[in-house]
Amino acid sequence: QQPVQSPQAVILREGEDAVINCSSSKALYSVHWYRQKHGEAPVFLMILLKGGEQKGHEKISASFNEKKQQSSLYLTASQLSYSGTYFCGTAESQGGSEKLVFGKGTKLTVNP
Amino acid sequence: EAGVVQSPRYKIIEKKQPVAFWCNPISGHNTLYWYRQNLGQGPELLIRYENEEAVDDSQLPKDRFSAERLKGVDSTLKIQPAELGDSAVYLCASTIRQGKNIQYFGAGTRLSVL
Repeated sequence: QQPVQSPQAVILREGEDAVINCSSSKALYSVHWYRQKHGEAPVFLMILLKGGEQKGHEKISASFNEKKQQSSLYLTASQLSYSGTYFCGTAESQGGSEKLVFGKGTKLTVNP
Repeated sequence: EAGVVQSPRYKIIEKKQPVAFWCNPISGHNTLYWYRQNLGQGPELLIRYENEEAVDDSQLPKDRFSAERLKGVDSTLKIQPAELGDSAVYLCASTIRQGKNIQYFGAGTRLSVL
């Protein structure tokens, strides 16, 4: 079951904050966040595990609410380099190489 | 450390022609994935390999798609014959089986079927 991401797109001015949500109808073991710039490979940002705490990466952090099967990605004081499409990928079990199901993505544009 | 390498980066073919994509995963990564990414969509899994064994090919259209991973390292994905609807970016990713399933992606092959 494909996770649902919201919003589909967001436009910010440099320095503004944004939140991207990822919601699943299935119980999740982990949520993975990736960023993809146009014509490039998706790049891993962070992983949230069941029972884990909120994670951070530079000014980008994320949370995982296991009971609601939701994850949120927080981008604070956005920079031009944050522009791209953000995907969440969800895994339902703990296996080391289990399949990830990706959402449709959220396109983030940061303007000067 | 070298990342996941894919070739070619771009391919333009006419429908009904065959096409092949090549992937070299990160050294030591025993799990390899092929994904298809349509415009404006997230990656969709086609096939997953553990070493040389295809352990999940449930979403691979087997009438025209085939894949192989000889010796458990490089992999090739083939389409024969290609259809207009196959136009997409084909991504390869790899990971270490005993890890947290952090997948590292290649830059992909953009296929255009005319």
